[in-house]
Amino acid sequence: EAGVVQSPRYKIIEKKQPVAFWCNPISGHNTLYWYLQNLGQGPELLIRYENEEAVDDSQLPKDRFSAERLKGVDSTLKIQPAELGDSAVYLCASSQQITGELFFGEGSRLTVL
Amino acid sequence: QKEVEQDPGPLSVPEGAIVSLNCTYSNSAFQYFMWYRQYSRKGPELLMYTYSSGNKEDGRFTAQVDKSSKYISLFIRDSQPSDSATYLCAMGTGANSKLTFGKGITLSVRP
Repeated sequence: EAGVVQSPRYKIIEKKQPVAFWCNPISGHNTLYWYLQNLGQGPELLIRYENEEAVDDSQLPKDRFSAERLKGVDSTLKIQPAELGDSAVYLCASSQQITGELFFGEGSRLTVL
Repeated sequence: QKEVEQDPGPLSVPEGAIVSLNCTYSNSAFQYFMWYRQYSRKGPELLMYTYSSGNKEDGRFTAQVDKSSKYISLFIRDSQPSDSATYLCAMGTGANSKLTFGKGITLSVRP
């Protein structure tokens, strides 16, 4: 069974440029999460989807970050414009509603110069 | 005080040692407790998943939850160099709720 797939794995951009990350969750997993992981820290939730609906986006900086999950499967996280402090790893995870066990992708590592 | 505190590292042990990793938490609503292992430049990988208090064993790994003390532990027996990674504790209030993670501790097992 394929795991959570993320792309790109690495992205280097200049500040004020836009960037987008894509995530394909495990088949059959209704819940999708985007987490942010800074160096030496644990992941922190940005947004959680139940199917197409964003049910927790309280930690998403909405002035520059946006996310969507069309058709309740794939998801895209966008940053526009990027700032130096956005350099981090963006992790996507998915889970089944019943078990709640989160499975993570390998992450998208963003460097903003 | 952070909701989840994890023992600071790094931790270095010889091969074959028993390793104890610990986290404390302040939110008494946490019911789900997990341990993740994260290799360098990889995503976190679920190791152990426990609901409420008690012990759970899986091979060389044992997870313990003591809700009365708000304390969880992960024990690794007969540690191997392949266990060298960062270990993250994580907790949630519901089966599909947001997880709150500890900072992680980096373990190195010397051959």
